[in-house]
Amino acid sequence: EAQVTQNPRYLITVTGKKLTVTCSQNMNHEYMSWYRQDPGLGLRQIYYSMNVEVTDKGDVPEGYKVSRKEKRNFPLILESPSPNQTSLYFCASSFNPTNNEKLFFGSGTQLSVL
Amino acid sequence: GENVEQHPSTLSVQEGDSAVIKCTYSDSASNYFPWYKQELGKRPQLIIDIRSNVGEKKDQRIAVTLNKTAKHFSLHITETQPEDSAVYFCAASILEYGNKLVFGAGTILRVKS
Repeated sequence: EAQVTQNPRYLITVTGKKLTVTCSQNMNHEYMSWYRQDPGLGLRQIYYSMNVEVTDKGDVPEGYKVSRKEKRNFPLILESPSPNQTSLYFCASSFNPTNNEKLFFGSGTQLSVL
Repeated sequence: GENVEQHPSTLSVQEGDSAVIKCTYSDSASNYFPWYKQELGKRPQLIIDIRSNVGEKKDQRIAVTLNKTAKHFSLHITETQPEDSAVYFCAASILEYGNKLVFGAGTILRVKS
């Protein structure tokens, strides 16, 4: 089944404890992206990747890191999480970014930083 | 950069009535406008999109209209049903800049039966 898989689904952590949210897609998509969803703010892009070894900042990159060593994986890393990073996170992918093809979203990761 | 404003933030309609959600964008170079639906506890899913060379697009009970001059686009849902209840997000992007979608804040649509 074609899908974008995120893990974990829920995560509670404490300030300063490094964490990684994994994202994997099995559709051979070139483009992958991370968004955070906050009430009243919609979906805001954190980082995106147009292809392997190519990553760029989105609108709210501060406090986050990503890597794209393989086409299928695009992990989101929070080196020192803070409470303002408590949010619902979505990974998404699409085949051809320049054609703005449909984004496929993962099931989301609800992160709470205490 | 692009800014997308979406109204209303919440919308309640009676089953069978129509619902309209409006979005405005700031960058006149934007040429791709998708709409995503997010049911409670689920992931966003694309329901319809429109490109700037088209003024209107329909898919069964859903339609999107685009006014490039005024820089606004709207989602129209006719004959609403309870399963239309969800959060709807509009977005805008520039094709040549890759899939850098800028999303609106979302509209919570409640269809009362």
